[in-house]
Parts: sequence; structure tokens; C-alpha cells
Amino acid sequence: AQSVTQPDIHITVSEGASLELRCNYSYGATPYLFWYVQSPGQGLQLLLKYFSGDTLVQGIKGFEAEFKRSQSSFNLRKPSVHWSDAAEYFCAVAGPGGGNKLTFGTGTQLKVEL
Amino acid sequence: NAGVMQNPRHLVRRRGQEARLRCSPMKGHSHVYWYRQLPEEGLKFMVYLQKENIIDESGMPKERFSAEFPKEGPSILRIQQVVRGDSAAYFCASSPPEGARNNEQFFGPGTRLTVL
Repeated sequence: AQSVTQPDIHITVSEGASLELRCNYSYGATPYLFWYVQSPGQGLQLLLKYFSGDTLVQGIKGFEAEFKRSQSSFNLRKPSVHWSDAAEYFCAVAGPGGGNKLTFGTGTQLKVEL
Repeated sequence: NAGVMQNPRHLVRRRGQEARLRCSPMKGHSHVYWYRQLPEEGLKFMVYLQKENIIDESGMPKERFSAEFPKEGPSILRIQQVVRGDSAAYFCASSPPEGARNNEQFFGPGTRLTVL
């Protein structure tokens, strides 16, 4: 069965600093990978996704993520964090070829210090 | 184009009552997914429906929970005889037919259910 691990429950960074949120997955083949952001009391917004091709994907709000098959990782990065980026971030995996359910990690809560 | 709509946004029920959660997918989307988010946890898949069909209900509890997506109207997640452990945020997501193949799902704002 597929699974997702986000090892960092909470992360605090200063505004303007760089950010990397870790995500490791377990899946038998090349998965479809996603990063979502959730602001308090809100639904989830898709930041970026990886299906195939270039392993470095660009998303919205200046985020990017890199798929590393050898490490089973899909870490999210941003070179300079803004105070408005404070939110909870979820990594998710789904199987290709019609496996429609998303399996989510437990999330990383990002706090941004001014 | 309006996004995925869910109502109510907040729902309070006493133990033993029924809860009905509604989800209207984005225009043109015919696939609906329900997820549950317990406090301090990630989202867990519950059920995947297309119009008038349940495609995958592997994440649904065996008792008290049911879901439907009729030909007309919103998708409904129904919880009978609620218990305190049902308190959670319930999210609906939708995707277009072509999106279902690559799992791009668009999420609604959620319904936060509190069972007293």
C-alpha cells in the first residue's frame, strides 16, 4: 500500500529565509505526487504536481519541488519565505492509471517569524 | 467558474443524530471524492463517486456512513447515529473526467462536524 511521510510536524523560519519541507513516499512504481497548502479553516489549494518528465516542477506562489526516485522523495522548496506562507502543507501521492484516491502525509505546520 | 461548494461549513449534532453533508462539484466535473481530516491528522480518503455510481468506497467505515452522487443535485455524505469520534473536517474534491486519470482534484472548503 502506498504511504507518505512528512517527518517535520512543525517548522519555523524567518521571513526572507529559504524553506524546504520534506516528503518521502512509498509506492511500487512511479507515483503521481502533489503538494497542497491549507490555511486555517480553509480547504486545500494545489501548489504543484508531478506526473512525469522533468523532475523539478514549478508551482504557484514561488514554490518548487524536486522528485528524486532514488530517495523516494518529493521535497518542497521556496527560496524566500513570505509571512503569508504560514499555513499547513500536505504532500500526497496517488497511483497512475486510474488509482484515484490520494494518500496524504500528516502535514507540516509552517510558522513564519517576522 | 465557482469552485467546489460544500455546505454547511459548520455542523453541530448531538450523539445519535444524523449528519448530512453536501458537496457541489465544479462545473463540468463529474467525479467527486470525500476525505476526512481528524484533529492533528492528514486527510484520509473515504469514497470516490461518479454520477449515480460508487467507484471506490474502500475508505468508508462499514457502518453508519453512506454516500451518493445523484444524476441531479449535489453529492451527499450521510452519517447516521453520529458519535463523538465522527467529529472531524470533511472535505469534498472534484475532478473532470480527464482529470481523474491523473488525479488532479480540486478541494472544497470543508464541513466541520462537531458531535456533542
